[in-house]
Amino acid sequence: DVVLTQSPATLSVTPGDRISLSCRASESVGTYLHWYQQRPNESPRLLIKYASQSISGLPSRFSGSGSGTDFTLSINGVELEDLSIYYCQQCDSLPFTFGSGTKLEIK
Amino acid sequence: EVQFVESGGGLVQPGASLKLSCVDSGFTFSDYWMSWVRQTPGKTMEWIGDIKYDGSYTKYAPSLENRFTISRDNAKSTLYLQMSNVRSEDTATYYCTRVNIGGYRDYWGQGVMVTVSS
Repeated sequence: DVVLTQSPATLSVTPGDRISLSCRASESVGTYLHWYQQRPNESPRLLIKYASQSISGLPSRFSGSGSGTDFTLSINGVELEDLSIYYCQQCDSLPFTFGSGTKLEIK
Repeated sequence: EVQFVESGGGLVQPGASLKLSCVDSGFTFSDYWMSWVRQTPGKTMEWIGDIKYDGSYTKYAPSLENRFTISRDNAKSTLYLQMSNVRSEDTATYYCTRVNIGGYRDYWGQGVMVTVSS
């Protein structure tokens, strides 16, 4: 199985910060890597597909990059509404797997 | 508007069976692969499996395929998850999701909680 390692597990931020979240795969997944956001008490929602493609309506402060085994989700100017858990998921090989998540909290 | 309404969760004893349902609206259900994903109380996300748009093919997480079965009724725009011989580690919130080419899940239901306990 492809193991996705997300770091850090928790990130304490101040509104306005520029941050990067990492997702590292145990083997290449090409660009079949997708990012989801889960706000407290809500269902997950898709943010980024194929490593770098933003979904329609996503604020421009969010961006994704990477391919192969190393991926990054960046937020340029964190806002309070961004406080969430962020998960990556690979859909290159079965079984599809998720990372353990990065939790964004207020410093 | 795409909407999913999940049901069928609750408290169930170890070894029992349970069937979850997800009624979908706002899109042509029969055009899409669908999926179940679960999230443990500790927030770990686990892919359960996907089903092809016509129901002719399914793929599962190997650790679950002997006990879990995904099916669908396109006439009713409904996705199902049949769970058998449930265990305490099956305690989780179960989400139905829509799947797109490339595997990304662009819509998620509100989730239904299943608690396995005696």
